[in-house]
Amino acid sequence: EIVMMQSPGTLSLSPGDRATLSCRPSQSVSISALAWYQQKPGQAPRLLIYGTSNRATGVPDRFTGSGSGTDFTLTISRLEPEDSAVYYCQQYGDSLTYTFGQGTKVEI
Amino acid sequence: QMQLQESSPGLVRPSETLSLTCSVSVPGGSMNHYYWSWLRQTPGKGLEWIGHIFYSGTTNYNPSLKSRVSMSLDTSKNQFSLELVSVTASDSGVYFCASAYSHLSAFNRWGQGTRVTVS
Repeated sequence: EIVMMQSPGTLSLSPGDRATLSCRPSQSVSISALAWYQQKPGQAPRLLIYGTSNRATGVPDRFTGSGSGTDFTLTISRLEPEDSAVYYCQQYGDSLTYTFGQGTKVEI
Repeated sequence: QMQLQESSPGLVRPSETLSLTCSVSVPGGSMNHYYWSWLRQTPGKGLEWIGHIFYSGTTNYNPSLKSRVSMSLDTSKNQFSLELVSVTASDSGVYFCASAYSHLSAFNRWGQGTRVTVS
């Protein structure tokens, strides 16, 4: 099983700041098989980024995904109050099982 | 756009079977061509994929749960279901159904989730 390690656990930032979230798989993951989700309290996760850098429908261009192998990043530029949430990375390249990171909480 | 809605079993007793159904509203009306998954979010393991089923009936389960899980699909009702046997308190959490375009795709649509308590 590929273990997804996210850091930091919590980011406390101000509106207008840039947030940089890290995701490090325990094994190399194909760039086509890495996603990011946003989850707000009481809601289901929402797909933000798939295939490392492709924004899902309706996702603002403030959200940017990048990386490869065992080092992936989600960058949120120009933070807005509504970006307060927990962000999860997920690999879906190992079809034996899909795994998620433990999440990074972004507080604004 | 596609919508998913989980049933609400609420409370399940230890050692019994958890049964959930996801009702799907699909543009065009067909469940074909999608992979239908169950996931859960628990205090102990966070977000965890349980398994998926394709319209052909092909299933794939998380190895850690495989011995206790089964999934089925009823395309005539636009529903798919989960059974998890021999539940314990560690199976308590929020259960989500979700869809993906293929077995190598992200989960693009999710149900709102249903809370399950084993007690």
